[in-house]
Amino acid sequence: DIQMTQSPSTLSASVGDRVTINCRASQSISTWLAWYQQKPGKAPNLLIYKASRLHSGVPSRFSGSGSGTEFTLTISSLLPDDFATYYCQQYNSYSWTFGQGTKVDIK
Amino acid sequence: QITLKESGPTLVKPTQTLTLTCTFSGFSISTSGVGVGWIRQPPGKALEWLALIFWDDDKRYSPSLKNRLTVAKDTSKNQVVLTMTNMDPVDTATYFCAHTEGENYDWYFDLWGRGTLVTVSS
Repeated sequence: DIQMTQSPSTLSASVGDRVTINCRASQSISTWLAWYQQKPGKAPNLLIYKASRLHSGVPSRFSGSGSGTEFTLTISSLLPDDFATYYCQQYNSYSWTFGQGTKVDIK
Repeated sequence: QITLKESGPTLVKPTQTLTLTCTFSGFSISTSGVGVGWIRQPPGKALEWLALIFWDDDKRYSPSLKNRLTVAKDTSKNQVVLTMTNMDPVDTATYFCAHTEGENYDWYFDLWGRGTLVTVSS
């Protein structure tokens, strides 16, 4: 099984901050990686797919990068609506695995 | 517009079998490249992928739960059904179904249902 490890688990930030969340795969997954945002009591929303492609309707302050085993989600300037939990997910070779999540809360 | 909705029991007893239905609209699961996946989330914990069924009836399961899961589709009803046997309190979670459409491994979940909370308790 491919394991996904996110860091940090919790991130405290202020509105306007640049935020970076990391995700590491236990083996190479090329660019088969997605990022999701989830708010309490809601379903996840797709932000990024194929490591760096912005899903339709997602604001451009979100960006993704990386390949192989190391990936990053960046929010260029945090807005109040961005306080949420973020998950990475690999979808390589007919297996799907999520990271443990990174909660972005208000500093 | 694609929508998905999960339905099923909110409470099951230990050792019972859970059957959940995902009813969707806005797409056909017989269209090449389309799939419907199941993901769950225990209260306060991370997401866990369970199963996925493709347009061609290819089925994929989480290795850790493979022996307990069955997924099937009913194209005429626009439904995908997940069954999980031998339920245990640790299976208490919100269960989501989600849409995927792609090719050559590019199967991420672009649209999700709202989820249904299943509690396992005697």
